[in-house]
Amino acid sequence: EIVLTQSPATLSLSPGERASLSCRASQSVGSYLAWYQHKPGQAPRLLIYDASNRATGIPASFSGSGSGTDFTLTISSLEPEDFAVYYCQQRSNWPWTFGQGTKVEIK
Amino acid sequence: EVDLVESGGGLVQPGGSLRVSCAASGFTFSSYSMNWVRQAPGKGLEWLSFISSTSRTIYYADSLKGRFTISRDNAKNSLYLQMNSLRAEDTAVYYCARGMNSHYYMDVWGKGTTVTVSS
Repeated sequence: EIVLTQSPATLSLSPGERASLSCRASQSVGSYLAWYQHKPGQAPRLLIYDASNRATGIPASFSGSGSGTDFTLTISSLEPEDFAVYYCQQRSNWPWTFGQGTKVEIK
Repeated sequence: EVDLVESGGGLVQPGGSLRVSCAASGFTFSSYSMNWVRQAPGKGLEWLSFISSTSRTIYYADSLKGRFTISRDNAKNSLYLQMNSLRAEDTAVYYCARGMNSHYYMDVWGKGTTVTVSS
């Protein structure tokens, strides 16, 4: 099973600041990696797929990069609605796995 | 509007069984793969199971150890998860999620149904 390790666990930032979230895989997943946003009481939302492609309706402030074992989700300028928990997920190998999440909180 | 609505959650005793369902609307259900994902209290997301559009291909998380069974009824636009031998650690919100065409990532999610395993 591929283990995804996200860092940091918590990121404390102010609105307007840039956020960089990391996801590292225990073995190569190629570009088969997605990022999701999850807010309490809501359905998770797909942000990025295949490492760098924005999903439908996702603003350009969200971008993904990386391949192999190291990936980054960048939020260029945090809006109030962007404070949430973010998960990476690989679909390179079965079973699919999620990272443990990074919480982006208001400083 | 594309929508997924889970149902069937509730309180069940350890060792018991429960079937949760997911009703799909607003898209051609029979053309999409589907998944179940859960989130235990205070924990992150955990992928549980995948089923292809025709039910021909099915995968499970290793942690389920054969206790859970995914199925679908394309005529009823419905997805199911049969859960047996339930344990306290199965307590979670259970989400169904649609797989993107050609890419398989989970692009549409329901709001979840809560399963509590307790005596």
